[in-house]
Amino acid sequence: DGGITQSPKYLFRKEGQNVTLSCEQNLNHDAMYWYRQDPGQGLRLIYYSQIVNDFQKGDIAEGYSVSREKKESFPLTVTSAQKNPTAFYLCATTRSGFDYEQYFGPGTRLTVT
Amino acid sequence: GDSVTQMEGPVTLSEEAFLTINCTYTATGYPSLFWYVQYPGEGLQLLLKATKADDKGSNKGFEATYRKETTSFHLEKGSVQVSDSAVYFCALRFMGGSEKLVFGKGTKLTVNP
Repeated sequence: DGGITQSPKYLFRKEGQNVTLSCEQNLNHDAMYWYRQDPGQGLRLIYYSQIVNDFQKGDIAEGYSVSREKKESFPLTVTSAQKNPTAFYLCATTRSGFDYEQYFGPGTRLTVT
Repeated sequence: GDSVTQMEGPVTLSEEAFLTINCTYTATGYPSLFWYVQYPGEGLQLLLKATKADDKGSNKGFEATYRKETTSFHLEKGSVQVSDSAVYFCALRFMGGSEKLVFGKGTKLTVNP
């Protein structure tokens, strides 16, 4: 089955700790994205990567970091510098082509206390 | 910059009622337009899309028509079901630019039996 895997579904951390969220895809899509979702705010883009070993900041990159060493994987690290890290995090990929529709993973809910 | 404005929710309907969720956009050029749906605790799923003016996207009884003259892409369904209860997001992608999508803030729909 082709798809996007995000693990774990729920993640709990203490304030001041870095935490890495996993995103793996077997769709053979080139581009991958990380979004943050807060109640009433819609989706906000954190980082995106269009090819391996390259990535760009989105609208709210401060306090986050990413890597793209393999086509299949795009992990997101939430650092201690992120002031309000508690949120629902969504990973997505793009199918190349004319319409560029995005496919989403199931999300990881991060709670930092 | 590019932006999407959706009607604010929440929207509560009875089963078999008619649904309209308004979406208007601001963009330079002619973006592709999308509606995504998010069920509780899950990622987003593409519901329908339109890539040029006057295109009508449709899926699962939902429809939306790309209206260039009014810069709108309103979502409609003639008879909603309880299973349609979800959050609906309108989004645009500007052709010729980056592959990012710009999302509206989402509209929560609850359908009562």
